[in-house]
Amino acid sequence: EPEVTQTPSHQVTQMGQEVILRCVPISNHLYFYWYRQILGQKVEFLVSFYNNEISEKSEIFDDQFSVERPDGSNFTLKIRSTKLEDSAMYFCASSEELGQQETQYFGPGTRLLVL
Amino acid sequence: AQSVTQLGSHVSVSEGALVLLRCNYSSSVPPYLFWYVQYPNQGLQLLLKYTSAATLVKGINDFEAEFKKSETSFHLTKPSAHMSDAAEYFCAVSREGDDKIIFGKGTRLHILP
Repeated sequence: EPEVTQTPSHQVTQMGQEVILRCVPISNHLYFYWYRQILGQKVEFLVSFYNNEISEKSEIFDDQFSVERPDGSNFTLKIRSTKLEDSAMYFCASSEELGQQETQYFGPGTRLLVL
Repeated sequence: AQSVTQLGSHVSVSEGALVLLRCNYSSSVPPYLFWYVQYPNQGLQLLLKYTSAATLVKGINDFEAEFKKSETSFHLTKPSAHMSDAAEYFCAVSREGDDKIIFGKGTRLHILP
C-alpha cells in the first residue's frame, strides 16, 4: 500500500541553524500539507501546498518557514533559523484531491529537537 | 472557529471490553469529523470520517463513531478491545473549503490483559 515517507525520523539541531525536513508524498497525490505537534499539545496545521504554491497557511507559518517541491517526488519544509519553540514532531500529509471529502494520508513524522 | 475536545488523555480498558473514546466538537458550519489513530513510531492513520452522509460511520478494525448534532459529539466505539488497539487516538474537525484539519489533543488507549 502506498504511504507517505519522511526523513529524517529524528533531527537535533542548534538554535539558529537551518533545518530541512523531507517528505515523499504518495505518488499520484497533488495536495501536500505540513502539520506539527509540540510535545503534549495538539497536532496543528502549518501549511498546504498545491500546484507549486501555498494554498493556505496558519499563523504559525511565519517568514522563518518555507516549503518547496524541488522535484517530482519530494516536498520539503525549511526552517531558516530554528528557535527552541520549534522543537516538535512534524508531520507531512498528502491527498489526491482538495476538500475534506478526500483523505489526508500522514507520514510517520520527524521529531525535531532544537537545543 | 472550529475546535475539538477529547475527554480523557488516557483511557484504560480490559481486553474484550467496550472501547469508548469521547470527542466533542465546536463548529459554526456543518463539520467534517475524523478519527485518526497513531500506533507507536508510525504516522496518523485515518480510522473513519463523517462527511454529512450517514450519522453512524463505520471504520477500520471494527471501530465506529456516531455523529450527534444535538450533543455536538462524535464518540468513537469498538465493541471488544484487542491488545493491538493500544495506540493514541485523535479526533479532528474540518469543513468544506478548508485545507486544514483541526485536531484534538489525543487520547492514549491502554488495553489491560
